[in-house]
Amino acid sequence: DVKVTQSSRYLVKRTGEKVFLECVQDMDHENMFWYRQDPGLGLRLIYFSYDVKMKEKGDIPEGYSVSREKKERFSLILESASTNQTSMYLCASSPPDRVGQYFGPGTRLTVT
Amino acid sequence: QKEVEQNSGPLSVPEGAIASLNCTYSDRGSQSFFWYRQYSGKSPELIMFIYSNGDKEDGRFTAQLNKASQYVSLLIRDSQPSDSATYLCAVKENRDDKIIFGKGTRLHILP
Repeated sequence: DVKVTQSSRYLVKRTGEKVFLECVQDMDHENMFWYRQDPGLGLRLIYFSYDVKMKEKGDIPEGYSVSREKKERFSLILESASTNQTSMYLCASSPPDRVGQYFGPGTRLTVT
Repeated sequence: QKEVEQNSGPLSVPEGAIASLNCTYSDRGSQSFFWYRQYSGKSPELIMFIYSNGDKEDGRFTAQLNKASQYVSLLIRDSQPSDSATYLCAVKENRDDKIIFGKGTRLHILP
């Protein structure tokens, strides 16, 4: 079974703090993705990566950055957290070609 | 802008009946189609994928694809209360590995 893990299930941070969300997959997948999910807005792609040290902007990259130093690990960084970044953050991974993505359990981030 | 459209629901179906979930997509270049199930407070789980026109069956689930009409559907036979969830339709081109998700249909199975 594919396993995607995320560092925290729930996180509370203060406005202006730097926040790190970690994602690890154990299936040697090339592709990794970060989404946020908000009621009424669905899943929105923040960043994705096709390989180590590679990154591509998704639909809503503003206020976020990512790091992929190892194939199994993809980190999302909020440089200066703001209240509008309160959301559920979901990491996913996939091999190349036509298969779907496999999601981690999610991190519910609250910024106060 | 590539789009995947779903009726948000809720769709209420009696236990034991067939639940029919529908999805349309805008990009004719789409090649792979997926259905995810998401329980409240949980992450999406991949339950079906289909690449070719026609039907694909897996247990109580059947995915149907009509590329000419740009239409994908998911049928759930013998619906159970445990099928109550939000179902996300997702579409992928072959040009890259990004997936476009619909906003989901909430399904409620009535005991």
